[in-house]
Amino acid sequence: DTGVSQNPRHKITKRGQNVTFRCDPISEHNRLYWYRQTLGQGPEFLTYFQNEAQLEKSRLLSDRFSAERPKGSFSTLEIQRTEQGDSAMYLCASRKTGGARNTEAFFGQGTRLTVV
Amino acid sequence: KNQVEQSPQSLIILEGKNCTLQCNYTVSPFSNLRWYKQDTGRGPVSLTIMTFSENTKSNGRYTATLDADTKQSSLHITASQLSDSASYICVVIGTGFQKLVFGTGTRLLVSP
Repeated sequence: DTGVSQNPRHKITKRGQNVTFRCDPISEHNRLYWYRQTLGQGPEFLTYFQNEAQLEKSRLLSDRFSAERPKGSFSTLEIQRTEQGDSAMYLCASRKTGGARNTEAFFGQGTRLTVV
Repeated sequence: KNQVEQSPQSLIILEGKNCTLQCNYTVSPFSNLRWYKQDTGRGPVSLTIMTFSENTKSNGRYTATLDADTKQSSLHITASQLSDSASYICVVIGTGFQKLVFGTGTRLLVSP
């Protein structure tokens, strides 16, 4: 257990439905990342937060995707009108910055989304 | 474009043997490089973090090397065990931007 918690672990949804995932980072970590990983590939960057501010969004994050971190603690990732191509593992990571640049990033176990 | 490439894509070795995984990156300017181990269906777990001033760092049977001039890193696994079967992912962070740039990983299978 890395201390980063993601829920749910698995989600099966019908195409066109909306889904929301939650990530609870390590409490003192100010930076939170979302990544998407498809089978056999390395994780692809989606977005990241510095406290409650969303600092960068990947072009992979279409307008159907939205992420929030309202109080600078937990974060949610919502996918609207899901498509089969959204099926993937969604990974969350957190990290503490402000000091050394080589602070470790801790990953959650991921949420595996299957769109049928 | 900042990229991280790994080789080989997959590798099968016998239990007890050693192996070396390679990572080449173009991320610049460079801040640090990390190796992660990812078991199937689970999140990545950090093995080692190396800054540009570090050439070698060990973590048990894992030894990572870094050549910041040639932008290459390697992960050497000694006396492999069945539990080493996993994907090994090289991750680079550049100075000035804070994304973790991932390689596609090397899938290692240790066979009895």
